[in-house]
Amino acid sequence: AQSVAQPEDQVNVAEGNPLTVKCTYSVSGNPYLFWYVQYPNRGLQFLLKYITGDNLVKGSYGFEAEFNKSQTSFHLKKPSALVSDSALYFCAVRDGDKIIFGKGTRLHILP
Amino acid sequence: KAGVTQTPRYLIKTRGQQVTLSCSPISGHRSVSWYQQTPGQGLQFLFEYFSETQRNKGNFPGRFSGRQFSNSRSEMNVSTLELGDSALYLCASSAFNEQFFGPGTRLTVL
Repeated sequence: AQSVAQPEDQVNVAEGNPLTVKCTYSVSGNPYLFWYVQYPNRGLQFLLKYITGDNLVKGSYGFEAEFNKSQTSFHLKKPSALVSDSALYFCAVRDGDKIIFGKGTRLHILP
Repeated sequence: KAGVTQTPRYLIKTRGQQVTLSCSPISGHRSVSWYQQTPGQGLQFLFEYFSETQRNKGNFPGRFSGRQFSNSRSEMNVSTLELGDSALYLCASSAFNEQFFGPGTRLTVL
């Protein structure tokens, strides 16, 4: 079965610094990987996806993610964090017709 | 293009009651999935419908059921509500390996 793991419950970053939110995956076959963000009292918003091709995927709001097959990782990154990036981030993998989500990582950007 | 809409946005019920939640997908999307989000269990897959047929079901008891109509709108029903059913219920419609989520229905069971 497909699965993803987010090893950090919370990440704190100072505004203006680069940020990384970690995700590792376990899949059979080719992985379909996603990142979503959830702001308070809101649904999930799609950030980016990796299906195939370039290992560096660019997404919404200046986020990008690097697919690393040898390390089975798909970390989310941003060069310069904004206070408005504070939210709950979910890594996910497609398993057939459903999406399997990680537990989520709460990102705090400190002004 | 309008996004995924869910109604109602908030619901308060008591134990033993039943509830029906509604989801209207993005126009042209035929796949609708439902998820339950709780602080303890995170996001869990409930079921997925495509062209009025349930294609996948998660590990939830039979009290949780759903259906999809010919216009792709979907409903989920929870019977004999329990306190543990309090959650945010998210609906998503899919196209091209991408899921678009609605704002969710916040269900509180007292």
